[in-house]
Amino acid sequence: EVVLRQSPDTLSLSPGERATLSCRASQSVNINYLAWHQQKPGQAPRLLIYGTSYRASGIPDRFSGRGSGTDFALTISRLEPDDFAVYYCHQYGTSPYTFGQGTKLEIK
Amino acid sequence: QVQLQESGPGLVRPSETLSLTCTVSGGSISGYHWTWFRQSPEKGLEWIGYIYQSGSVNYNPSLESRVTISMDTSKNQLSLKVSSVTAADTAVYYCARKDGDLWGRGTLVTVSS
Repeated sequence: EVVLRQSPDTLSLSPGERATLSCRASQSVNINYLAWHQQKPGQAPRLLIYGTSYRASGIPDRFSGRGSGTDFALTISRLEPDDFAVYYCHQYGTSPYTFGQGTKLEIK
Repeated sequence: QVQLQESGPGLVRPSETLSLTCTVSGGSISGYHWTWFRQSPEKGLEWIGYIYQSGSVNYNPSLESRVTISMDTSKNQLSLKVSSVTAADTAVYYCARKDGDLWGRGTLVTVSS
């Protein structure tokens, strides 16, 4: 099973700042099958990024993804109040598909 | 736009079978594969399995012996069954299109006597 480890567990930043969230895999992940989801309290996850770097429909260009092999990252260029949430990386290239434990992005 | 809605009992007794339905509205269930996930504080987000329109399924090996996913295209619905449940199956259950490009709102299922 591919284990995804996200860091940091919690990231405290202010609106307007840049956020970089990391996702490291226990083995190589096909770049076509790495996604990032955002989840707010009481809500379902929402797809932000798929295929490592492609933004899902309606996702602003402040969100970008990059990476290859075992190291992937999500960057939010200028944080807005609505961006404070939990973010999960997700690999769906090797069964069983797996998620990271999440990074909580909180307001500083 | 396409919406997904999970439904089913919120409380299931230990050793019984958990049964959920996901109704797809605003679009056809055909042409995509559909996935079930669950989320609990203990295990986080967990992939349960998916089904293609052909009926082909792929399950998480950790659940495979107890899980059945099926699809009814005439009703635009998916279903999930998990047998022999224990407290460890307590979670919010989500259905999703493909590998998670669109999620339902989720439904909490508690396993307790």
